[in-house]
Amino acid sequence: EIVLTQSPATLSLSPGERATLSCRASQSISSYLAWYQQRPGQAPRLLIYDASNRATGIPARFSGSGSGTDFTLTISSLEPEDFAVYYCQQRSNWPLTFGGGTKVEIK
Amino acid sequence: QVQLVASGGGVVQPGRSLRLSCAASRFTFSNHGMHWVRQAPGKGLEWVAVIYYDGSNQYYADSVKGRFTISRDNSKNTLYLQMNSLRAEDTAVYYCARDIKSHYLDYWGQGIRVTVSS
Repeated sequence: EIVLTQSPATLSLSPGERATLSCRASQSISSYLAWYQQRPGQAPRLLIYDASNRATGIPARFSGSGSGTDFTLTISSLEPEDFAVYYCQQRSNWPLTFGGGTKVEIK
Repeated sequence: QVQLVASGGGVVQPGRSLRLSCAASRFTFSNHGMHWVRQAPGKGLEWVAVIYYDGSNQYYADSVKGRFTISRDNSKNTLYLQMNSLRAEDTAVYYCARDIKSHYLDYWGQGIRVTVSS
């Protein structure tokens, strides 16, 4: 099973600041990585797939990068609605796995 | 807009069974694989199972293999999860989700709560 390790666990930032979230895979997953956002009480929402492709309707302030074992989600300028939990997910091998999540909270 | 509406959750005793349903609408259900993902209280996301668009293949998390069965009825646009031999650790909100691009999840249902407790 591929283990995804997200860091940091919590990121405390102010609106307008840049957020950089990390996801590290226990073995190479090529570019087969997605990012999801989950707001409190809501279902997750797909943000990024194949490491760097924005899903339909996702604002340009969200960007993804990386390949192999190291991946990054960047939010260029935080909006109030971006304070949420973010998960990475790999589709390289069965079973599909998610990272443990990074909570982006208001400082 | 794609709609996925889950039903069938509730409180069940350990060792008993429960069947979840997920009614899909506003897209061509038979063209997409479908997943179940769960989230225990205060925890992260755990993938549970997938079924291919035509039902030809299913894969499961080790934690549910042999106890849970994913199935679908394309004539009814409905996804199912049969959960047997339930354990306390199966307590979670269960989400159904649509598969795109070979196993990313682009639309999610609202989630249905399952509580396993005596």
